[in-house]
Amino acid sequence: ELKVEQNPLFLSMQEGKNYTIYCNYSTTSDRLYWYRQDPGKSLESLFVLLSNGAVKQEGRLMASLDTKARLSTLHITAAVHDLSATYFCAVDVGLGGTSYGKLTFGQGTILTVHP
Amino acid sequence: NAGVTQTPKFQVLKTGQSMTLQCAQDMNHNSMYWYRQDPGMGLRLIYYSASEGTTDKGEVPNGYNVSRLNKREFSLRLESAAPSQTSVYFCASNIKRAQGQGGETQYFGPGTRLLVL
Repeated sequence: ELKVEQNPLFLSMQEGKNYTIYCNYSTTSDRLYWYRQDPGKSLESLFVLLSNGAVKQEGRLMASLDTKARLSTLHITAAVHDLSATYFCAVDVGLGGTSYGKLTFGQGTILTVHP
Repeated sequence: NAGVTQTPKFQVLKTGQSMTLQCAQDMNHNSMYWYRQDPGMGLRLIYYSASEGTTDKGEVPNGYNVSRLNKREFSLRLESAAPSQTSVYFCASNIKRAQGQGGETQYFGPGTRLLVL
């Protein structure tokens, strides 16, 4: 059974600081997704990582995937208040170009950015 | 395009009542999914439909049934609601590509908040 664990689960940051959210998973996979959720809202896709060593960047967020370590990271650079949200990673057990489409989500990391 | 739409937005049920949650997408996606979200547990897959005419169980299917009515619509039914089914339900869709064509992120609807008393 695939398990996906995020840490930390709660993250309180000061504006301007850097931090990393970690996503570990238990079964071999080479496709991982990051989503953002604002309170009371739906999920918004941030990044799709489809191979070992994949790195994607959008604004102050950068995501990477190490399939050998079964680890993805979401790095936040110079945090701003607008980044306050819950961040989820999700793993698709598909491998080698096959997408099964069944996502297993981490518990989510609640990020709060303070002035 | 409206994307993924869900009805109703909110619902209160009494234990034992039944209801159907509706989901529709206008992005011509072939795969659709139902998730539930509970505090501290992320999202868990209830059922999914890889293509029109097929459905399959996810991680937590007990107490639910689904119908893929056509390519656009995928409904979730609670036959006899229980308090443990109090949750936020999300429908999602994507294009499920053939082998070798890479992954495709899922697009989520706004959610249905269900309270079972």
